[in-house]
This record gives sequence, C-alpha cells and structure tokens, in this order.
Amino acid sequence: DQQVKQNSPSLSVQEGRISILNCDYTNSMFDYFLWYKKYPAEGPTFLISISSIKDKNEDGRFTVFLNKSAKHLSLHIVPSQPGDSAVYFCAASVDAGGTSYGKLTFGQGTILTVHP
Amino acid sequence: EAGVAQSPRYKIIEKRQSVAFWCNPISGHATLYWYQQILGQGPKLLIQFQNNGVVDDSQLPKDRFSAERLKGVDSTLKIQPAKLEDSAVYLCASRRRGGGDQETQYFGPGTRLLVL
Repeated sequence: DQQVKQNSPSLSVQEGRISILNCDYTNSMFDYFLWYKKYPAEGPTFLISISSIKDKNEDGRFTVFLNKSAKHLSLHIVPSQPGDSAVYFCAASVDAGGTSYGKLTFGQGTILTVHP
Repeated sequence: EAGVAQSPRYKIIEKRQSVAFWCNPISGHATLYWYQQILGQGPKLLIQFQNNGVVDDSQLPKDRFSAERLKGVDSTLKIQPAKLEDSAVYLCASRRRGGGDQETQYFGPGTRLLVL
C-alpha cells in the first residue's frame, strides 16, 4: 500500500535549467507535505514544506506546488546546480488534531543528476 | 547545535545474530523516530517515541525488533535474531515537540546494516 509515490526513479538535467520532481499521494487525510534531500552516506535533510491550506511555497531556488484535487505535488529547482545532485524524497503527514506526532510517509525517492 | 548522533555507522553480521543500534537525538527534542530504509525505497517508520513513551509501533516486527528510550533522551533499537531481509539503513530522527505542530524532523546519518 504505497500511499506516497514518486514514479520517476531518476532525472537528469543540465546546469542552469529547471528541475521538476513529481510526487503523487492517495491518502486524502494528508495535510502537510515535505521534501527531503539525501546525499550518499548521510541522513535526509529537510528542504521545503507546504501545508494543505496553500498551493505554493517558495524558498530561494526551491518552490513546491500542491494540487489537492489531483493529489499531486511537485518540487521545482531553478536554476539547477551540480550541488543539487542527490536523492529527493517526498513525504506526507496527517497533522490535524495533533495526534500523529509528525509521522511521515515517504515516497521511494528520485535521483537527480545535474550535469555541468 | 549538535545534530542527531547514531552509532555504529556500519555493521556486518550473520543471519540469526543479534545487533543493536544507538541514537542520541538533538538536545531537548521530545519526539524520536526510528526508520528503516531498504535500498531503492524511502524510509519506513518503525517506531515513534514521545519522551520515553511509545506513540506508534504499528510497523515494528515485534517478534524480532525491540526499541527503548528509557530516560526520554537516547534510544536503542535491537534486532534479535537478524534475517537477510533486515539489511538496510536504520535512520534515527528527532523533532522538538509532539503533535499539532508542523515541525521538521532532523535525521541522523544512519547505521548501514548488512546481514550475511
């Protein structure tokens, strides 16, 4: 039962261009979404998040878009840099009511490679 | 602020042996999580503590896995006996407060376990 799916195992992009990473979810109870970035031999690090009351959140080169009706979110990186090469995980949680204590459900990850 | 510490970083054991992993969360973080990440998949939550109490252990294989957080600070995860399919990276994460807040989980570097 894969509630969060990242259907593209990998993405290759030229430096300076836009990277778009996609994520779909099935559980309509999810109301908070996050993107984590992971380098080899390190733990995931938080990148950006979005609440279900918003449809867009920006932080520098990173923008996350949420389409609740389609149960779809995407991460845009503009411009892409070689240092952005990593595995990107989409994650979701049910935060309403304060009963989940932040339990995250992760997608499988997308390997992003940015070529110089 | 020091990050989440985990040890050992790597462990190789034979099947049916036992193994233990240790995690020290960020100081003052009340919530602690253990995740299992199998190669090619996203992290999967095994168990979640709020202070020294278990909040969610629904995905913990309790016949062989156990975890404790006795004083509400550091935690240990044990596997006894190990199976081949337990080969994975075991990630520990912590978060400052409990439910209701959209706060970030901070991950440690993980322990890479190989069961032969």
